[in-house]
Amino acid sequence: GNSVTQMEGPVTLSEEAFLTINCTYTATGYPSLFWYVQYPGEGLQLLLKATKADDKGSNKGFEATYRKETTSFHLEKGSVQVSDSAVYFCALSDYNQGGKLIFGQGTELSVKP
Amino acid sequence: KAGVTQTPRYLIKTRGQQVTLSCSPISGHRSVSWYQQTPGQGLQFLFEYFSETQRNKGNFPGRFSGRQFSNSRSEMNVSTLELGDSALYLCASSTGQGTGELFFGEGSRLTVL
Repeated sequence: GNSVTQMEGPVTLSEEAFLTINCTYTATGYPSLFWYVQYPGEGLQLLLKATKADDKGSNKGFEATYRKETTSFHLEKGSVQVSDSAVYFCALSDYNQGGKLIFGQGTELSVKP
Repeated sequence: KAGVTQTPRYLIKTRGQQVTLSCSPISGHRSVSWYQQTPGQGLQFLFEYFSETQRNKGNFPGRFSGRQFSNSRSEMNVSTLELGDSALYLCASSTGQGTGELFFGEGSRLTVL
């Protein structure tokens, strides 16, 4: 079945450091890929998405490229801020599966001043 | 535009009881999905309702059920509660046109004693 694997956390970085959170997936067909972020005490928010191979999703300085050949969707940011401290989830959605997302385990990011 | 509203935010029950959680989606959204979030299992899909019909279902026992009303509001019910049902239950709404872009509520945190 479909699955998503994320690098384990927690990840601790200093402010302005470069961030990479790895995400790989297993899926039949051509899924859409997402990164969601969960701030403490809140629900999940969509950070970015990509719906086909080689698409690059970007938002708030974060980027991720849909790589079909390596089945990956790694999240990157060039310079993290304290306010980026949160849990990040990689997810996929099969075509025509509506509200059913398959999530990775989540990666907790802590950014220190 | 109001976001997804979940009630109650916190509740405590004892084993064997039942619980009903409520979700009001974003106005105009016809799809409501439910997820269970626990530290051990992460985010797991429970079910999705679209236009009052269950469209997708995850791998949970029959004790977990849901429904959707004509105004798109949804409820989920868990009967015969077990300790392992303690979790954050997240509701997400979408237009139902499947790109997987979900809008999440802040969740209902259930503790089973």
